[in-house]
This record gives sequence, C-alpha cells and structure tokens, in this order.
Amino acid sequence: GAVVSQHPSWVICKSGTSVKIECRSLDFQATTMFWYRQFPKQSLMLMATSNEGSKATYEQGVEKDKFLINHASLTLSTLTVTSAHPEDSSFYICSVSVTGTSYEQYFGPGTRLTVT
Amino acid sequence: DQQVKQNSPSLSVQEGRISILNCDYTNSMFDYFLWYKKYPAEGPTFLISISSIKDKNEDGRFTVFLNKSAKHLSLHIVPSQPGDSAVYFCAASDNTDKLIFGTGTRLQVFP
Repeated sequence: GAVVSQHPSWVICKSGTSVKIECRSLDFQATTMFWYRQFPKQSLMLMATSNEGSKATYEQGVEKDKFLINHASLTLSTLTVTSAHPEDSSFYICSVSVTGTSYEQYFGPGTRLTVT
Repeated sequence: DQQVKQNSPSLSVQEGRISILNCDYTNSMFDYFLWYKKYPAEGPTFLISISSIKDKNEDGRFTVFLNKSAKHLSLHIVPSQPGDSAVYFCAASDNTDKLIFGTGTRLQVFP
C-alpha cells in the first residue's frame, strides 16, 4: 500500500477566510490523488481528482473556484477552501491511487474543518 | 442517484459470531469492488477487494462474495472481534481510478 498524511488534522476558521489542506504521499509517487468530503453519518463523496502537473477534474456540483486543488509534485496535493462558510464544515480526506493494484486507494487520516 | 447502497445503517453482532455486511449496486459497468473499514475521525482503511471475474475472495477472517446477476456483494467476518467495531464502506469502480462509495454500515461487536 501507500502511506498518506494530511495536515492539519483539524482546523477552525472564521467565515470568509481561506484554508489550505495538504495531502502528502510519503512512500509512493502519486500521479493521481483524490479529494473526498464526508458529512456526519454520510458516505464519502468524491470532490475531485488531482492530477500531477495538470488541472484537477471536479465532480458535478463541486465548485472549482471555491475548492482549489494544486498537485505540484508527485508527493503533494493541496486543497484550498476559499471564502469558507459554515456549510463547508466537514471532514476532508485525500487518497492516493496506486495504479496497477486493482484500483485500491490508500487514504490519509482526514482533516476536520469547522467554519465559525 | 446512489449507485452503491448499503441498506443496513447498523449491525450488532456478538463476539465470535459471524458478521455479514451487505452492499447492492445499480451500475452494471462496475467491475471491481472493495471494502473499507473506518474509525471516527480517521481515513478509511482498505480491507479486501474482488474483481468481477470472481465470486469469492478470502483473506483471513474476511471473505467477500459477489453475485453479479443480483448486483450484490457481501462481506463476511468470522469470528467477529470487538476490534472489528467500526463503519464499513463498500466501494465500486467501473474500470477507472474513481471509486464510488456506499453509505456505510456501522458494525458493533459486543462481548
């Protein structure tokens, strides 16, 4: 598998500010990373696919101007929640796709975002 | 439109007995299925997977069964242990890197 870290593990910010979440693949060079969001007691919803060196691919209904994704290297993808609002409060999780191992994804520990 | 469904939000099983978690899907293009275990405030952990060319895959206490005609898969855990208490998600792939997750089933294993 792959070891994935996220930073920060939790963050509280005021409404209207921006927050950056980092996702690092510690032992695997990941050309593709994924960003998910999970609301309490709900499923993991794919937000976007982060591709190294190119633009992210966003799922339907996800605002690309609000959730900025940058995948500048094979080990780091960042998700920036711009002009955050209380409804953006959620658990954000990234994952690494280990191509060639039958679509398995390995997940980071997640980041809890609370917007006040 | 929920393409992957787990109709039981919770399941309670006694330690040592079998836990059976079910998952149904609607998209016939799905060809690979995975089960993940998740604790609160943590990322999901991969458990076991199965390709659509198989109907069973076993790994230790965990066995996944696939019934393609019924578009149904299940995860069997035997014997169940208290440490198995978590939320279990099934996920499916349609030959792309993207995974579609089910709604999850909370398993509680009691002594």
